Amino acid sequence: DIQMTQSPSSLSASVGDSVTITCRASQDINIRLNWYQQRPGKAPKFLIVAASTLQSGVPSRFRGGGSGTGFNLTISSLQPEDVATYYCQESYGTPYIFGQGTRVEI
Amino acid sequence: EVQLLESGGGLIPPGGSLRLSCAASGFTFSDYGMNWVRQAPGKGLEWVSAVSGGGTTYYADSVKGRFTISRDNSKNALHLQLNSLRVEDTALYFCAKERLAGGLGHFEHWGQGILVTVSP
Repeated sequence: DIQMTQSPSSLSASVGDSVTITCRASQDINIRLNWYQQRPGKAPKFLIVAASTLQSGVPSRFRGGGSGTGFNLTISSLQPEDVATYYCQESYGTPYIFGQGTRVEI
Repeated sequence: EVQLLESGGGLIPPGGSLRLSCAASGFTFSDYGMNWVRQAPGKGLEWVSAVSGGGTTYYADSVKGRFTISRDNSKNALHLQLNSLRVEDTALYFCAKERLAGGLGHFEHWGQGILVTVSP
């Protein structure tokens, strides 16, 4: 199975800061990488598909990039509503594996 | 508007069985693959199982042979039969709809989740 490793496991930043989360796959997954946001006590929300395509309604301060084995999620100008845990997930094939999550705090 | 509503959770002793259901609305259910994803208390997300629109099923190794996913397209319903439950199956179970008709692996819409607690 593919292994997905996120870093850092948590981070704290100020409103307006830019933050970057890294996700690494154990094998080449092309751009078959998705990102989710899970606010406390809520269901996950689909943010980004195919490494860099924002889902409809996702603010443009979210940006995804990468291919192969290395990916990143950047939140520019962090907002209070961005407090959440962020997960990467590979869609290369079953089983679909999530990263362990990155908690973002302000 | 897509809506997914899980039901059927509860407290069950180890070795027991449970059937989860997910009532879907707001889209042509038979066109889309569906998934179950779980989250143990305080832990991350774990994909459990998927069923394509055509009925092909997929499972995580951790549940293969114990859980069975099924769908009833006539009732817009997704099910997960959980057998031989273990303490480590304790989790919030989410129903999730695929992003694209015919696609798999992209969990666009999620229910609010249903709690399954396995405890003596």
